[in-house]
Amino acid sequence: AQKVTQAQTEISVVEKEDVTLDCVYETRDTTYYLFWYKQPPSGELVFLIRRNSFDEQNEISGRYSWNFQKSTSSFNFTITASQVVDSAVYFCALSETPRRGAQKLVFGQGTRLTINP
Amino acid sequence: EPEVTQTPSHQVTQMGQEVILRCVPISNHLYFYWYRQILGQKVEFLVSFYNNEISEKSEIFDDQFSVERPDGSNFTLKIRSTKLEDSAMYFCASLSGNTEAFFGQGTRLTVV
Repeated sequence: AQKVTQAQTEISVVEKEDVTLDCVYETRDTTYYLFWYKQPPSGELVFLIRRNSFDEQNEISGRYSWNFQKSTSSFNFTITASQVVDSAVYFCALSETPRRGAQKLVFGQGTRLTINP
Repeated sequence: EPEVTQTPSHQVTQMGQEVILRCVPISNHLYFYWYRQILGQKVEFLVSFYNNEISEKSEIFDDQFSVERPDGSNFTLKIRSTKLEDSAMYFCASLSGNTEAFFGQGTRLTVV
C-alpha cells in the first residue's frame, strides 16, 4: 500500500531562515511519481514539482530545492531565505504507475509552515 | 494558461439535501478526479474517471456519491443525501497522459 508521511505538523521560523520540510513515502512499485503542492490560506492547491522515481537528481528552482533519495524513501523540500509569502500548508504526494488511467495521488498530512517577519 | 474551473466556490446545504459540484477540466485532458479535504486534514482521493467510466474509487465514495461527464466538458460530483460529515473542500483535478494533475480552486461544501 502507498503511504506518505510528513512528520512535521507545524514549523515556524523567522523570515530569511532556511527551512526543510520532510517527506517519507512507502510504495511497492518501482515506477512512481512524487509531488509537492502548496496550499496558501486561500485554499487552492498549487503545484510545485513532480519527480519520477528514475530521476534522483536534486532540483533547484529559485529559493526552492528538492532532495530525492530512494535509499531512504525521502523527498525533502527546502526553502532558502524564507519569506512571509511562503507561509502555507505544504503537501507531499505520491502516485504509482497508472492502472486504467487511475493515477491517483496519495497525500501526506501536510506541514503548516509559518514564516514570521 | 489553461485551468480547471470549479463552481460554486462555496455551497451551503441542509442535511439530507442533494448537491451537485461542478468542474470544467482542461479541454484536452483525459483523466478526471475528485478529491476531498476535511478542514485541517489531508487531501483524500475520492474517484477517478476515464473513458466515460469510473476507473477507481475509494472507500469514501459510497452509494451516496456519483460522478458524471454529461456533455463532454463538465465533470460533476453529486452527493445524493448530504450528511454533516460531508462538509469539506472538494477539489476537481484533470490531467493528460503525462502531466501532473491540475487542480481547480475547490468548492467548500458546508452541510448544516
